[in-house]
Amino acid sequence: DAGVTQSPTHLIKTRGQQVTLRCSPISGHKSVSWYQQVLGQGPQFIFQYYEKEERGRGNFPDRFSARQFPNYSSELNVNALLLGDSALYLCASSLRGEAGANVLTFGAGSRLTVL
Amino acid sequence: GDSVTQMEGPVTLSEEAFLTINCTYTATGYPSLFWYVQYPGEGLQLLLKATKADDKGSNKGFEATYRKETTSFHLEKGSVQVSDSAVYFCALSGAAGSYQLTFGKGTKLSVIP
Repeated sequence: DAGVTQSPTHLIKTRGQQVTLRCSPISGHKSVSWYQQVLGQGPQFIFQYYEKEERGRGNFPDRFSARQFPNYSSELNVNALLLGDSALYLCASSLRGEAGANVLTFGAGSRLTVL
Repeated sequence: GDSVTQMEGPVTLSEEAFLTINCTYTATGYPSLFWYVQYPGEGLQLLLKATKADDKGSNKGFEATYRKETTSFHLEKGSVQVSDSAVYFCALSGAAGSYQLTFGKGTKLSVIP
């Protein structure tokens, strides 16, 4: 079975540009979460979507937005890129919306470099 | 708010040595606790979890016990292998209904032959 798939795997942008990252969850999973992992740090929560509705948002500026489609795939958009947005962006899917005992399965990530 | 503190790395061990990576947490209520592992160039993989006090999670020779009294979830392995070289993250999710994981900063483990 396919795991969580993310695209693109690597991309380079310049400051001020916009980027869209894509995520396909495991079949049957209805929840998708996004995390930002800056080099040398642990992942930081950005968004969670469940059944196409936003369930939570982390402490990120409004330049970050996301959505979930009827097939449960998701996109993360970042506008007006800053050098500090350079990071590995991880998508995770789960069956339900709660992270408690409900295990998140992570994709391999999209590595964004902003020059 | 919720937080996770891990011992700082990097940690370098010889093959077959005993491993302990300390993790303590701050959270309201009764969080679930997790250890994730990240191999070079890959995403995160769940290693083990515990959902209530005194639970022991185990997988691939790794173990961790949920200690509510000390708010800890230390990761241990009796005999590490070169293939265990990776970055290990301790994480928690909040009380029932919580939807996000809070991660520690990670501990890089290198095992040398």
